[in-house]
Amino acid sequence: AQSVSQHNHHVILSEAASLELGCNYSYGGTVNLFWYVQYPGQHLQLLLKYFSGDPLVKGIKGFEAEFIKSKFSFNLRKPSVQWSDTAEYFCAVNEQRGSYIPTFGRGTSLIVHP
Amino acid sequence: KAGVTQTPRYLIKTRGQQVTLSCSPISGHRSVSWYQQTPGQGLQFLFEYFSETQRNKGNFPGRFSGRQFSNSRSEMNVSTLELGDSALYLCASSESAGIAGYTFGSGTRLTVV
Repeated sequence: AQSVSQHNHHVILSEAASLELGCNYSYGGTVNLFWYVQYPGQHLQLLLKYFSGDPLVKGIKGFEAEFIKSKFSFNLRKPSVQWSDTAEYFCAVNEQRGSYIPTFGRGTSLIVHP
Repeated sequence: KAGVTQTPRYLIKTRGQQVTLSCSPISGHRSVSWYQQTPGQGLQFLFEYFSETQRNKGNFPGRFSGRQFSNSRSEMNVSTLELGDSALYLCASSESAGIAGYTFGSGTRLTVV
């Protein structure tokens, strides 16, 4: 079965630390990749997405993600986190064929201490 | 552009009852998907509607159903509620079945007692 794994369930960082959240998927074909963020008390928002082309994708608020096809990975990074980045982060993947319905990872809770 | 609107925001129901949740997508979006979010399972796909037709369905029992109207508004219904149905139900609209990414609503928090 197709699956998306986010290995870090909880991450705690201090402000200005660098962030990398892992995301791996098990699809064999061509994929679309997404990162969503859910700030406390708010709805899920799209952070960035990859469809094709440059495997390094830049999103909002200084976030970026790198697609490494050989590793089936799409890790999210930010060089210097802020307290306002405290949120839950979800990776999602869908195949570029068939239903296009994305499968979501279980999420990573990030807490940034000021 | 108005966002995705879900009503009601909160619901408390008793086991055995049924419930209907509503979702108004972003204007122009014809695809509406529903997800169940729980702490243990994350986001689980329920179903997707496009132009009033159910196009995809997740692995949920038949107690979970939905529909979409000609104005793209969607409803989902859960009959014979069970305690395990307590969750945040999210509606997501998209221009094209999630290819461009979803815009989510704030969700309906359903508690079954």
